[in-house]
Amino acid sequence: QKEVEQNSGPLSVPEGAIASLNCTYSDRGSQSFFWYRQYSGKSPELIMSIYSNGDKEDGRFTAQLNKASQYVSLLIRDSQPSDSATYLCAVNPLDNYGQNFVFGPGTRLSVLP
Amino acid sequence: GAVVSQHPSWVICKSGTSVKIECRSLDFQATTMFWYRQFPKQSLMLMATSNEGSKATYEQGVEKDKFLINHASLTLSTLTVTSAHPEDSSFYICSAQEGNVGEQYFGPGTRLTVT
Repeated sequence: QKEVEQNSGPLSVPEGAIASLNCTYSDRGSQSFFWYRQYSGKSPELIMSIYSNGDKEDGRFTAQLNKASQYVSLLIRDSQPSDSATYLCAVNPLDNYGQNFVFGPGTRLSVLP
Repeated sequence: GAVVSQHPSWVICKSGTSVKIECRSLDFQATTMFWYRQFPKQSLMLMATSNEGSKATYEQGVEKDKFLINHASLTLSTLTVTSAHPEDSSFYICSAQEGNVGEQYFGPGTRLTVT
């Protein structure tokens, strides 16, 4: 059973701070990793994808991947109240005959004005 | 790019009737489409995976005769909830993927209420 784990939160940070969201996964063969944001009552929206070890930056968002530790994180700099949402980590184990995507349960982020 | 639409965005139906939800990839060809269900304050639950031109693969516990999925083309998949009951009321979300690796792009979801 391939698993993706996240701290369910809520994670509360003050406006302007850095929010750090973490995710671990069980399938060592996983190759593709994604972060989605889901506002209450809405569908998930892709924020970042990362495929190689290291950091990938896009605006205020930085995804970090460490395949040896089976760990992927998302940093949100200069957090804004509009960033308050549930963040879903997703892993693609590249098992074409099994699960395609495995989603974590999500971490609820609350950015306090 | 990578836009996925769903129709309708919300629907109310009476118990015992059937409801069809459409999912379209508007600017790419979706070899693989997924159907999820989400109850309030709960996680996404994958219902089934469909590949264009072949039968859908249903997750354990999802009744394939109740939730009919058709992926007739590279841009369209439909989910039909047959003989709907109040417990089927939920937020149904589709996603689409080009190939069978890479990003999944989600539609805006369909909120189903069965009375």
